[in-house]
Amino acid sequence: DTGVSQNPRHKITKRGQNVTFRCDPISEHNRLYWYRQTLGQGPEFLTYFQNEAQLEKSRLLSDRFSAERPKGSFSTLEIQRTEQGDSAMYLCASSRRSGAPTVANTGELFFGEGSRLTVL
Amino acid sequence: TQLLEQSPQFLSIQEGENLTVYCNSSSVFSSLQWYRQEPGEGPVLLVTVVTGGEVKKLKRLTFQFGDARKDSSLHITAAQPGDTGLYLCAGVKTSYDKVIFGPGTSLSVIP
Repeated sequence: DTGVSQNPRHKITKRGQNVTFRCDPISEHNRLYWYRQTLGQGPEFLTYFQNEAQLEKSRLLSDRFSAERPKGSFSTLEIQRTEQGDSAMYLCASSRRSGAPTVANTGELFFGEGSRLTVL
Repeated sequence: TQLLEQSPQFLSIQEGENLTVYCNSSSVFSSLQWYRQEPGEGPVLLVTVVTGGEVKKLKRLTFQFGDARKDSSLHITAAQPGDTGLYLCAGVKTSYDKVIFGPGTSLSVIP
């Protein structure tokens, strides 16, 4: 188990370009989350999956953002026509979650190291 | 509108001092978690609390979940420079709901 892996770690792009980030979760984890984080702030929820089903997408997210998890394993987050306001750290997390949280099933999120996006 | 509020936003203290960080909401959560994040890394789980009134201790850290399951606190005794980081509370409203995070408390412990 190598943990949650995100690629690329850094991406610099020009405004208007499309970018795609990939997340490989821990293999037995059924849930996968995408968050956006700016410096010194808490992670902002973007979307999450249970297996291959996208359960929710933040209403704050414009139609330029799309995420997929086609086989219930890795996930991609695509941002189309990037804007300078999209500059942030994009975090992926996975968890093994079923039923009510208990001491044994805390739904702990395991995070990757993030993909930092800079839009010029 | 933040579902989870944290206070203080920033905290700078001397090594050896005690501190408390608060996480508050007007909503009831089925569980709350506390994470610590260091620069350039993803958050790492410290503890999960699931029962109203629950108190958990992790070495010098004490976590409490409010009786009504709307708030939580993190108390650090004799803070050390290694405690420096961003402390995040995160909550789940129902068993199958998403995990949402508060804005965080940035702690700096000065040697």
